[in-house]
Amino acid sequence: DTGVSQDPRHKITKRGQNVTFRCDPISEHNRLYWYRQTLGQGPEFLTYFQNEAQLEKSRLLSDRFSAERPKGSFSTLEIQRTEQGDSAMYLCASSLGLRGGANVLTFGAGSRLTVL
Amino acid sequence: RKEVEQDPGPFNVPEGATVAFNCTYSNSASQSFFWYRQDCRKEPKLLMSVYSSGNEDGRFTAQLNRASQYISLLIRDSKLSDSATYLCVVSFIGNQFYFGTGTSLTVIP
Repeated sequence: DTGVSQDPRHKITKRGQNVTFRCDPISEHNRLYWYRQTLGQGPEFLTYFQNEAQLEKSRLLSDRFSAERPKGSFSTLEIQRTEQGDSAMYLCASSLGLRGGANVLTFGAGSRLTVL
Repeated sequence: RKEVEQDPGPFNVPEGATVAFNCTYSNSASQSFFWYRQDCRKEPKLLMSVYSSGNEDGRFTAQLNRASQYISLLIRDSKLSDSATYLCVVSFIGNQFYFGTGTSLTVIP
């Protein structure tokens, strides 16, 4: 499978626990994005990487959230001390990083988080 | 103000109908525009990029009006399989991608 892979697909956790999601982008894509989506809303930008460099973070990304892409390949998104408001679908996407209309996002299937 | 605004619908149309969605964006420096389709509990998938001159892909036609800062999607001869949420996406300097809330379409037999 040469698409974007995310793991786990579903995670149920208790409030206060830490969770980590992993994303494996399409291999030749140098940009990797994390989004969060709740029911009835469009995806909300969280952060993105160009290779291993984290270039931008949304104000939505509180101190409890951290993302890494240590070798410019896979990325992890960790949420510490989870809260019920963190329940959402966490989507990863990657792109070639080209300019203009050719810079298209390809999404993974998402990791659905439920915080009890 | 949100970067991208869409009418959430829902739009319920009979098979064979023509339906149009509009989307407005706030940043006049936005450079790239897309329509994505999202099925229930699935990830968004690219439907089509939107070019300045407008573009067509089968039954789907996308238009961009930079002066008025809106994007449209026209679906002709609607099929049951077109039922989904359609997300308007705008990119600024090719870095961040801003998504609308999506417009829900149900095509009725």
